[in-house]
Amino acid sequence: DTAVSQTPKYLVTQMGNDKSIKCEQNLGHDTMYWYKQDSKKFLKIMFSYNNKELIINETVPNRFSPKSPDKAHLNLHINSLELGDSAVYFCASSYSSGTSETQYFGPGTRLLVL
Amino acid sequence: AQSVTQPDIHITVSEGASLELRCNYSYGATPYLFWYVQSPGQGLQLLLKYFSGDTLVQGIKGFEAEFKRSQSSFNLRKPSVHWSDAAEYFCAVGGGSSASKIIFGSGTRLSIRP
Repeated sequence: DTAVSQTPKYLVTQMGNDKSIKCEQNLGHDTMYWYKQDSKKFLKIMFSYNNKELIINETVPNRFSPKSPDKAHLNLHINSLELGDSAVYFCASSYSSGTSETQYFGPGTRLLVL
Repeated sequence: AQSVTQPDIHITVSEGASLELRCNYSYGATPYLFWYVQSPGQGLQLLLKYFSGDTLVQGIKGFEAEFKRSQSSFNLRKPSVHWSDAAEYFCAVGGGSSASKIIFGSGTRLSIRP
């Protein structure tokens, strides 16, 4: 049973396209996150949601829009993709918000923009 | 501003040898400290975390870390590495409140020499 799952695992697309990445967790957690890992392995938080409410919104382009239809899902929609968006995107979840909680990561979605 | 420095980009050790991965942090308040491991093509997995109390923290897979406030360090150790320990290791710091975020270091890649 996969705790945090992401689809798709790989995504290759052209500049200017719009794409979505889906994330689901079956751990019963209240908080979910999106992270971006660049080519140098640098990992940075983008968003976090607690009970479907946005609590962390880092300085990311507004082309990135997270959507949380329910506590178990946090999707990431990206408009007008650019070359610099190429990265690995990780979804994570935790029992509640606050960094004292262990975050469980999904396997990542490798996005390549051509 | 909070930050995490992992001075070693890549370390190679022989199987069975001891390991120490360095981590230095900068944080204005009492830090919450973490070590995560990322195996190739996988998401991150928490090895251990420190919030308070005993400064020597035991984690999974035989890893431990020691918090040294005077040196702003949280180094990860293992007495005898196994080939399966080859991975990327990330140190991270957070603040503990619900709106806090985890700041990750740039990672240290560990290779194991047979």
